[in-house]
Amino acid sequence: GENVEQHPSTLSVQEGDSAVIKCTYSDSASNYFPWYKQELGKRPQLIIDIRSNVGEKKDQRIAVTLNKTAKHFSLHITETQPEDSAVYFCAASKFTDKLIFGTGTRLQVFP
Amino acid sequence: DTGVSQDPRHKITKRGQNVTFRCDPISEHNRLYWYRQTLGQGPEFLTYFQNEAQLEKSRLLSDRFSAERPKGSFSTLEIQRTEQGDSAMYLCASSLSAANEKLFFGSGTQLSVL
Repeated sequence: GENVEQHPSTLSVQEGDSAVIKCTYSDSASNYFPWYKQELGKRPQLIIDIRSNVGEKKDQRIAVTLNKTAKHFSLHITETQPEDSAVYFCAASKFTDKLIFGTGTRLQVFP
Repeated sequence: DTGVSQDPRHKITKRGQNVTFRCDPISEHNRLYWYRQTLGQGPEFLTYFQNEAQLEKSRLLSDRFSAERPKGSFSTLEIQRTEQGDSAMYLCASSLSAANEKLFFGSGTQLSVL
């Protein structure tokens, strides 16, 4: 079955700097790759997703890139702010199948 | 509130007791998922439904766990003879349909087994 690995497990950046989180997946048939943000004590919330027919997607300060050949995808956050501090999860799934999540990255943005 | 709701938010039980959790998905959503999350880990898939049909159950799920979605609306997750290792956050999520639709999570039920 699908296996998703995520790195780094923790990431500390200065406010205004960029943050990059990377994930790799094992099943080449996977075609949907969302990213979730989970603040302490709250539910995971979808922040951006990408499907396998595109290589990059942007939404304001957040972007996701996908390399299907290498089976990896990344989350890029630019101009980080303290409110970006949270745990971020990547996930992958095949068409109509369940999402398999990575182990998470704790991002801390210091003012 | 039109989001996914879960009840109860917290459950403390003694080892060996049975517990049941409820999830109400977003009303028009056909897919309903149960995940389990422990501290410092990502959500781990347990089972999912398409309407009332349970399509898959994780191999990691022992036969002490059972889930139902009798009318294709709300779902229940029951854990029989709870063990300390069952302590975790149980998350429910729903999506509109099968085709890689966005998952919306509930706030979860935090289970503590003493």
